[in-house]
Amino acid sequence: NAGVTQTPKFQVLKTGQSMTLQCAQDMNHEYMSWYRQDPGMGLRLIHYSVGAGITDQGEVPNGYNVSRSTTEDFPLRLLSAAPSQTSVYFCASRYRDSEQYFGPGTRLTVT
Amino acid sequence: AQKVTQAQTEISVVEKEDVTLDCVYETRDTTYYLFWYKQPPSGELVFLIRRNSFDEQNEISGRYSWNFQKSTSSFNFTITASQVVDSAVYFCALSEFVGNEKLTFGTGTRLTIIP
Repeated sequence: NAGVTQTPKFQVLKTGQSMTLQCAQDMNHEYMSWYRQDPGMGLRLIHYSVGAGITDQGEVPNGYNVSRSTTEDFPLRLLSAAPSQTSVYFCASRYRDSEQYFGPGTRLTVT
Repeated sequence: AQKVTQAQTEISVVEKEDVTLDCVYETRDTTYYLFWYKQPPSGELVFLIRRNSFDEQNEISGRYSWNFQKSTSSFNFTITASQVVDSAVYFCALSEFVGNEKLTFGTGTRLTIIP
């Protein structure tokens, strides 16, 4: 199993540009999540999904969209990037009552 | 609201010393779960342990041990005979029930082991 994979690993955007961070898992996990990690603030939940076709907002959802058309994939879309979205983004997945398995992260810089 | 406090921002110890990382939490829930994650310099998040609120037994795994005390709302992590490979940022986290997406993370403790 590849586990949780994220692409790209690094990305630089200009303010106002849009992009999609990709996340995929091959463990048939029902639950998937996106977190952002900022210096001195730990990780904060952006959006999550409890199954294909079902998504919900986390603690910091503004500026981000998600969809879950398949069990495997959970992309995170930035509609109009802002410097405040400069962060490291982690995707995670889990199966029912297991712990979260995190992907390797995407480092995003918005200039 | 849930809150996790890791008051130690950075700790440095000499190799082979023991070190304890503190974690204090706040929650109104009677059932909750506590976690520790390790983030080495490579950046990935590595799961270390999960503990539920009904189990206050201390746990030991090799050089790692965890002390859970509901009376003081603490879930401290001790590394015995530290090694350079233990250098990382360690996060404590809390959720209402196991697997809840809404993990509340502490701000992390950066541990540096000096050879």
